Amino acid sequence: DAGVIQSPRHEVTEMGQEVTLRCKPISGHNSLFWYRQTMMRGLELLIYFNNNVPIDDSGMPEDRFSAKMPNASFSTLKIQPSEPRDSAVYFCASSLERQGYGGYTFGSGTRLTVV
Amino acid sequence: KNEVEQSPQNLTAQEGEFITINCSYSVGISALHWLQQHPGGGIVSLFMLSSGKKKHGRLIATINIQEKHSSLHITASHPRDSAVYICAVNRGAQKLVFGQGTRLTINP
Repeated sequence: DAGVIQSPRHEVTEMGQEVTLRCKPISGHNSLFWYRQTMMRGLELLIYFNNNVPIDDSGMPEDRFSAKMPNASFSTLKIQPSEPRDSAVYFCASSLERQGYGGYTFGSGTRLTVV
Repeated sequence: KNEVEQSPQNLTAQEGEFITINCSYSVGISALHWLQQHPGGGIVSLFMLSSGKKKHGRLIATINIQEKHSSLHITASHPRDSAVYICAVNRGAQKLVFGQGTRLTINP
């Protein structure tokens, strides 16, 4: 398995533009997570899906952020409009939930810079 | 106060030294994870614990549920162990809460 695949690896965009981050989880994993990492706040959960259904989106900062998981092999995180404070590394992770929790596999992350 | 606290925040040691990184948490958990993040940024899951001790190569992780404390040990440390080590706990089924990380530097 190629692991969790995220794209793009790096994204530089201007303030106000729409940004879409993509994630392909490990085949067979039934949970998918979007995390954001910044120097100030460390790693934070934005949203997670179980069996393609959003379970907890309490970490999504505001309405400018949205996430979808149209099928078991693909998810997107969209920021519209983007702002400089959204600059961070965004990680996607997947796991196979068994008995309530499972080990996680992280993607390589997308480093987003909004100028 | 953060729900997950790690110590130390930074640790520098010489190659070969025995390393201990600590993690304390203040909430009920279903599991605790140790993650490794290398300077390139990728995150690797090292251990998932709900009780006792796990060992993988030179890495050992322990957890004491009653004391709400976990330790990550590295024996015979090597410069390639230099990374940020992150403790995270499962609250509820899947939600992870992270510590701030410990930056480890092993000098040759």
